[in-house]
Amino acid sequence: SQQGEEDPQALSIQEGENATMNCSYKTSINNLQWYRQNSGRGLVHLILIRSNEREKHSGRLRVTLDTSKKSSSLLITASRAADTASYFCATDADDYKLSFGAGTTVTVRA
Amino acid sequence: KAGVTQTPRYLIKTRGQQVTLSCSPISGHRSVSWYQQTPGQGLQFLFEYFSETQRNKGNFPGRFSGRQFSNSRSEMNVSTLELGDSALYLCASSFTSGNEQFFGPGTRLTVL
Repeated sequence: SQQGEEDPQALSIQEGENATMNCSYKTSINNLQWYRQNSGRGLVHLILIRSNEREKHSGRLRVTLDTSKKSSSLLITASRAADTASYFCATDADDYKLSFGAGTTVTVRA
Repeated sequence: KAGVTQTPRYLIKTRGQQVTLSCSPISGHRSVSWYQQTPGQGLQFLFEYFSETQRNKGNFPGRFSGRQFSNSRSEMNVSTLELGDSALYLCASSFTSGNEQFFGPGTRLTVL
């Protein structure tokens, strides 16, 4: 079973626009991580936010975490064609594994 | 630093056969995890090893097994293959638990 659920399942935006996707989870976590996957290849780690953090930035990425609502969001600003990919949230409940959501497929149109 | 490597990249097997997949973690990383990715079930955790000890195992039948060697390299084995075992198998390594995991390119297994 998957701990996280992403919303929306798919997102299509114009180059230069912002993309926002959300992740909800069910149990207490140690940290939450976001990954990107291009066309069935390996996952690329984007950002890790710990349970005692509320917001984190990395380049054009902004992640928020609300542990009271058990939810997180990933914002990609000024999107580019290269941002076309599937994005996954993964929760670490301090049990030596990551539990992934179903992912959000993002398509950036030129 | 070299990334996580997985071999082979592609495999085609028939039902009933067995398969062994290999993963070499990033140098210095002692934790190795395995995940199965399918269109229907998404990314599912298989097992995690640290210093040759399995610390957690996902909800998979006993046909799925793994091990880790003293150099942190890991293998997973699937015996008596079924059609439903067709998937992308991903290996990830991290320095220790609670940190980001670095994924390899995966092994795409097709069972005919």
